[in-house]
Amino acid sequence: NAGVTQTPKFRVLKTGQSMTLLCAQDMNHEYMYWYRQDPGMGLRLIHYSVGEGTTAKGEVPDGYNVSRLKKQNFLLGLESAAPSQTSVYFCASSYLAGNPTGELFFGEGSRLTVL
Amino acid sequence: DQQVKQNSPSLSVQEGRISILNCDYTNSMFDYFLWYKKYPAEGPTFLISISSIKDKNEDGRFTVFLNKSAKHLSLHIVPSQPGDSAVYFCAASESSYKLIFGSGTRLLVRP
Repeated sequence: NAGVTQTPKFRVLKTGQSMTLLCAQDMNHEYMYWYRQDPGMGLRLIHYSVGEGTTAKGEVPDGYNVSRLKKQNFLLGLESAAPSQTSVYFCASSYLAGNPTGELFFGEGSRLTVL
Repeated sequence: DQQVKQNSPSLSVQEGRISILNCDYTNSMFDYFLWYKKYPAEGPTFLISISSIKDKNEDGRFTVFLNKSAKHLSLHIVPSQPGDSAVYFCAASESSYKLIFGSGTRLLVRP
């Protein structure tokens, strides 16, 4: 049971480069999320999706784009990386849709460094 | 403007004693609260939750208390074990599909 899988696990970028983080879940969950974790800031929501083909902005969406072309995949893109985007990124999924538990299943994280 | 606050960045307790982790929130529309536990180099995992219509929820050694008038919740771990050493995140939900997290509290349980 893979659960939520993130690739890559580690990446170093130069300022201005672009990259995409891939999140895949095999639990048939409707909702998917991208969070970033920074020291002293906890987990902050970047973007989320409530279903295939839909996306929405979270707390800190600037500098990121997302796509949900397939239900099982949620991509996070950085078009022009900045040092402020150095962080650990977590993808999560949830089966909610009427279930009010709010429980999220997280991937192991992707550590991104922008030089 | 943080809607969910964990004002203690760290906590150290002796094995076997009680650990109390605190969380405050500002949004009175939050209707569900959760605690997540995170070990280094791993993603957070769900620990326990509570609906705003309750004031207590218990699961084994873990109990969450909710005080709506004070906009405060706490997680009690009794007895604390060394394996409980981790970062604990408080989270709250208004719409039931989007969670807002606190900054986390690092718990160290000393043998």
